[in-house]
Amino acid sequence: SYVLTQAPSVSVAPGETARINCGGNNIGSKSVHWYQQKAGQAPVLVMYYDNDRPPGIPDRFSGFNSRNTATLTIIRVEAGDEADYYCQMWDSGSDHVVFGGGTKLTVL
Amino acid sequence: EVQLVGSGGTLVHPGGSLRISCEASEFNVSVNYMNWVRQAPGRGLQWVSVIYPGGATFYADSVQGRFSISRDTSKNTIFLQMDSLRPEDTAVYYCARGIWIDLWTGYYNDFWGQGTLVTVSS
Repeated sequence: SYVLTQAPSVSVAPGETARINCGGNNIGSKSVHWYQQKAGQAPVLVMYYDNDRPPGIPDRFSGFNSRNTATLTIIRVEAGDEADYYCQMWDSGSDHVVFGGGTKLTVL
Repeated sequence: EVQLVGSGGTLVHPGGSLRISCEASEFNVSVNYMNWVRQAPGRGLQWVSVIYPGGATFYADSVQGRFSISRDTSKNTIFLQMDSLRPEDTAVYYCARGIWIDLWTGYYNDFWGQGTLVTVSS
């Protein structure tokens, strides 16, 4: 089955840029979606179809997907961005959804 | 306002059964890709199951043969019947609405319920 790999944690200072990576074999040929989960809350979609933002998600969030890595980038990071971030794709061979292990973003 | 309200989570003994529910508001579950996703304590998200608008169902390998997803269109509700429960099934179970893109991309989950806690322990 397909595997998505994420670093366990990323730390950035307020105002800096956070880059959260999601690795997978030829993931650039798939579409990747991203979810933000704050402590004690349900996940929220923040990026879909690699680089489309749902309504209400600030344009500080952007996405890119190429070759073996998809990246969620957050510029001008704020304290309120502190959360776990999960990448996700759909495996067309099995009709299964695959999540990455999640990356905890800490705002210093 | 779109809402997904999960319910039915409780403490169950190993080997037991439980059915959890997720009632939708402001959209029709029968025309959407409805998912269950779970999260064990302190762990990441794990996809569990999906029911397609046409009725096809799919399951993660870890629950195949033990769990069954269904829907009741009259109640606009989806269900997850869980049998032969194991301690490792302990998790918050979220229902989520899937939005289909295409045959290559599949779908993404644009809206999630608040989750219901299932604890499997003796």
